[in-house]
Amino acid sequence: DAKTTQPNSMESNEEEPVHLPCNHSTISGTDYIHWYRQLPSQGPEYVIHGLTSNVNNRMASLAIAEDRKSSTLILHRATLRDAAVYYCIVTTDSWGKLQFGAGTQVVVTP
Amino acid sequence: GAVVSQHPSWVICKSGTSVKIECRSLDFQATTMFWYRQFPKQSLMLMATSNEGSKATYEQGVEKDKFLINHASLTLSTLTVTSAHPEDSSFYICSAYPVPGEQYFGPGTRLTVT
Repeated sequence: DAKTTQPNSMESNEEEPVHLPCNHSTISGTDYIHWYRQLPSQGPEYVIHGLTSNVNNRMASLAIAEDRKSSTLILHRATLRDAAVYYCIVTTDSWGKLQFGAGTQVVVTP
Repeated sequence: GAVVSQHPSWVICKSGTSVKIECRSLDFQATTMFWYRQFPKQSLMLMATSNEGSKATYEQGVEKDKFLINHASLTLSTLTVTSAHPEDSSFYICSAYPVPGEQYFGPGTRLTVT
């Protein structure tokens, strides 16, 4: 599976949008891009996933670059509950096992 | 959304004993489940893929004789940590896919070996 690179941490103010970048320059044409998040002392939570087109759901939006070498997870209005570690993961198929990297720690300040 | 449960949520055991952790998919069937381990302030590490009706597939470096996995039915997978030692103390998490692309995780089991 393609390796991903994310910033270690990002800070946002409450009710402001958060843009979380992820680089996956070795992604292949059929690889999926997944985002999960983990709150302290809990199991991870599915956020969103996509293949080529941008995706929206009730939690977030996923913007995928045209060359697919990078993507951005967008939280439209950050709340204190969105403070978590966010993981960007690339897999070769949509049922694939997930290999977690270090992720991005998101801090939301009131 | 889909629900994955784990039992127990936490367990303390003495060194040398075995501990069994259960993972259940409550509202969907899962032919495949995954087991992860997470040490404090570290990321999740995939341990193995549990397959219903067949042997589990272990990741490189994970001792299959120490971490026994049994996928007894389409809704239950168990992880048994045999002859546990303090270094096995960790947060164990299971997961499964109810639909493609969306993996759902259990709440985790915190194991402390004394």
